[in-house]
Amino acid sequence: ETGVTQTPRHLVMGMTNKKSLKCEQHLGHNAMYWYKQSAKKPLELMFVYNFKEQTENNSVPSRFSPECPNSSHLFLHLHTLQPEDSALYLCASSQGSSGSTDTQYFGPGTRLTVL
Amino acid sequence: AQKITQTQPGMFVQEKEAVTLDCTYDTSDPSYGLFWYKQPSSGEMIFLIYQGSYDQQNATEGRYSLNFQKARKSANLVISASQLGDSAMYFCAMSSRNRDDKIIFGKGTRLHILP
Repeated sequence: ETGVTQTPRHLVMGMTNKKSLKCEQHLGHNAMYWYKQSAKKPLELMFVYNFKEQTENNSVPSRFSPECPNSSHLFLHLHTLQPEDSALYLCASSQGSSGSTDTQYFGPGTRLTVL
Repeated sequence: AQKITQTQPGMFVQEKEAVTLDCTYDTSDPSYGLFWYKQPSSGEMIFLIYQGSYDQQNATEGRYSLNFQKARKSANLVISASQLGDSAMYFCAMSSRNRDDKIIFGKGTRLHILP
């Protein structure tokens, strides 16, 4: 079983649509992350969940809404997106132990295109 | 402020040769971790290697080794005996205990292995 899975792998949506991205980790981790990767830009951290509690919201517009129902699943709900939101959205997970540097493991990403 | 710098936007290397990807970092935190990730064209970020700031020896993982020079604040990735499958984007990243282990990424280096 692959460590971190993401669905769908590709998504095309109009600006008025509502869609959700799903991430699932099978590594027994306690922390999960959403990143945005746009062309020619460094990876941007969007949200962090540690033990199901949101611990970071990196000034992300409200048209992106995360949900973490349990430590294995993470969703990103999308509504009224803009064309500039087109990017690769990566999910990651880690042990989440506070006070130590732990390794994040990434999923394959969802390539989102907003028309 | 923390910062990761990768000065090589692209590199071309002959197959079977060794290659060094440069990474310098800036932090005032005494405890931090350094990571290298590989991102093939499929999009998935693959964890390669980790080096802790207090580790005495350079990290090695198979054909990957991290040339850690703490005084120079550099953490170069060395790939020995390069293979065609090593063609990908490579990202250097850093996290620190003082910043809740949030990882910051460099802009990446695109490595092309030539047959």
